[in-house]
Amino acid sequence: DSGVTQTPKHLITATGQRVTLRCSPRSGDLSVYWYQQSLDQGLQFLIQYYNGEERAKGNILERFSAQQFPDLHSELNLSSLELGDSALYFCASSVALLNEQFFGPGTRLTVL
Amino acid sequence: GQQVMQIPQYQHVQEGEDFTTYCNSSTTLSNIQWYKQRPGGHPVFLIQLVKSGEVKKQKRLTFQFGEAKKNSSLHITATQTTDVGTYFCAGPSGTSYGKLTFGQGTILTVHP
Repeated sequence: DSGVTQTPKHLITATGQRVTLRCSPRSGDLSVYWYQQSLDQGLQFLIQYYNGEERAKGNILERFSAQQFPDLHSELNLSSLELGDSALYFCASSVALLNEQFFGPGTRLTVL
Repeated sequence: GQQVMQIPQYQHVQEGEDFTTYCNSSTTLSNIQWYKQRPGGHPVFLIQLVKSGEVKKQKRLTFQFGEAKKNSSLHITATQTTDVGTYFCAGPSGTSYGKLTFGQGTILTVHP
């Protein structure tokens, strides 16, 4: 158990819908990262927050957005879902930038 | 942008054989991290290398960071079935401080 929690564990939805994935970092970690993992794309960095502020952005689609709240939990919002958005979404946290990252168990999103 | 390449993509070994995966970055890295993801699991941090030419050992695992800080390797001696999984290297982006770029991973299968 990494100490990072993610909900829900599984999510099945339809194309065009909007979903919200939630992540609670390890106690004391200020930095939260979101990754997308699909079979053909490996582990793709989406976005990173540090103490409530966006610090780095990867190949995140405009349909996707995220935020980190004052209690440091984070949410990843995915809208206008497409079949290709089906993937495993991981959240990770670290104490500071460039430190080791602790991954949550992931949310498996299936878009039908 | 920065690219992190790993080879091989797949490796099948008999239990007891050695295994090595190689990681190459298109840019000089300030540090490199290694993660392991078991089938159905989430990435788990193994180690971080910071110094040029650094070598670190964890039991049967040996990690090396190249002199130019652009390549790294992970060597497992006498593999066991518990070593099965995907091994990822990851390096920070030079232009985006909080971003970690992952290699595509090496999938290790160990046959008993």
